[in-house]
Amino acid sequence: EPEVTQTPSHQVTQMGQEVILRCVPISNHLYFYWYRQILGQKVEFLVSFYNNEISEKSEIFDDQFSVERPDGSNFTLKIRSTKLEDSAMYFCASSEARGLGELFFGEGSRLTVL
Amino acid sequence: KNEVEQSPQNLTAQEGEFITINCSYSVGISALHWLQQHPGGGIVSLFMLSSGKKKHGRLIATINIQEKHSSLHITASHPRDSAVYICAVFRGSQGNLIFGKGTKLSVKP
Repeated sequence: EPEVTQTPSHQVTQMGQEVILRCVPISNHLYFYWYRQILGQKVEFLVSFYNNEISEKSEIFDDQFSVERPDGSNFTLKIRSTKLEDSAMYFCASSEARGLGELFFGEGSRLTVL
Repeated sequence: KNEVEQSPQNLTAQEGEFITINCSYSVGISALHWLQQHPGGGIVSLFMLSSGKKKHGRLIATINIQEKHSSLHITASHPRDSAVYICAVFRGSQGNLIFGKGTKLSVKP
């Protein structure tokens, strides 16, 4: 069964460092998403991506964050200068159709900022 | 006020019991998703609904668009059903999901 894969599964970094989280969506999917879940809290939308550009982003997704699809398969989330409050589980997801199709999630990347 | 409310927040059941988890939302939606989050953190999509009812194995999901309410039912519950069940709605005009806080289900043998 096709799946979304994410790397790394866990990353520990120092405050102020740049972090790149990587995702390989399902190959025939067109819509890609990043979500985050701070420990003990609900899942929150960060950004959606379609046709090589951001289609929607939340208030959380400020100038410190960026996404790109550098090579047609990987979908990355970059945090330029990490803060303590960026510590969370980051989930990548993909779907064939925006909102109206089944979402496939990766296993998540846990980011710990010290 | 949260736009997506789930009840109960926590639920403990005995193996074999019939379980219902409820989701109410206050915004117009085009679709509603039920998700399962495993103890390890991974998220799996269970259902996507825009109307009516869907069934998959022992899981049944219903939605009433007029009442802005959805339910997830688990028949003959099993300890392996223990997880957090999350309701999330897609508003259509915006490309993102709004998530509920989840219902933590524990099924005892």
